[in-house]
Amino acid sequence: QVRLQQWGVGLLKPSETLSLTCGVSGGAFTAYYWNWIRQTPEKGLEWIGEVADDGRAKYNPSLRSRVALSIDTSKNQFSLRLNSVTAADTAVYFCARTRSSVDAFKWFDPWGQGTLVTVSS
Amino acid sequence: SYGLTQPISVSVAPGQTATITCEGFDIGPTNIHWYQRKAGQAPVVVIYRDTTRPSGISARFSGSKSGNTATLTITAAQGGDEADYYCQMWDSGTALFGGGTKLTVL
Repeated sequence: QVRLQQWGVGLLKPSETLSLTCGVSGGAFTAYYWNWIRQTPEKGLEWIGEVADDGRAKYNPSLRSRVALSIDTSKNQFSLRLNSVTAADTAVYFCARTRSSVDAFKWFDPWGQGTLVTVSS
Repeated sequence: SYGLTQPISVSVAPGQTATITCEGFDIGPTNIHWYQRKAGQAPVVVIYRDTTRPSGISARFSGSKSGNTATLTITAAQGGDEADYYCQMWDSGTALFGGGTKLTVL
């Protein structure tokens, strides 16, 4: 059974860069799409973006100017970088898998365990 | 783009049926997916593509859609079903989630 395990720094100061990585085990890594989603009390669940196994990335327009997703197929890992963070970026961040190249047929399964990232001076 | 609207909370007595709705403009042509998130755990998909239940999900969970409203139905509700439930769709290349519904079984 495929498992997603994520890690990264959980406490940042304003203007710093958020960096998280998600490792995939127990299943295929290629031919899937790898996503980051965050959850805040104010905005609920917010999709950040996805990266394909060839490195092509797609981003939520609301975050596009600050976010970069990357993938390392040799390590079965993918990563999120979000720069110039503010308190509004405080959230639980999840990684998740989707399949299919057609958006309407993409659902998120499975999800990583979640990482609380707090931005505070 | 447009959003998905869910009731903030739904309460149900044990053994009864809970229904959670998800309304959105013109969701008919697309697919709605449903997730369950229990406290402290990662979300789990319970229904995908409007009506399909993944393997391992109880048959007490079902999904339907009519017009601009998708519905998640949980029959014979149990205490273990208490969780936040979210609907999700894609719009113009972006995944959108409903605001979530807190299900209380009491």
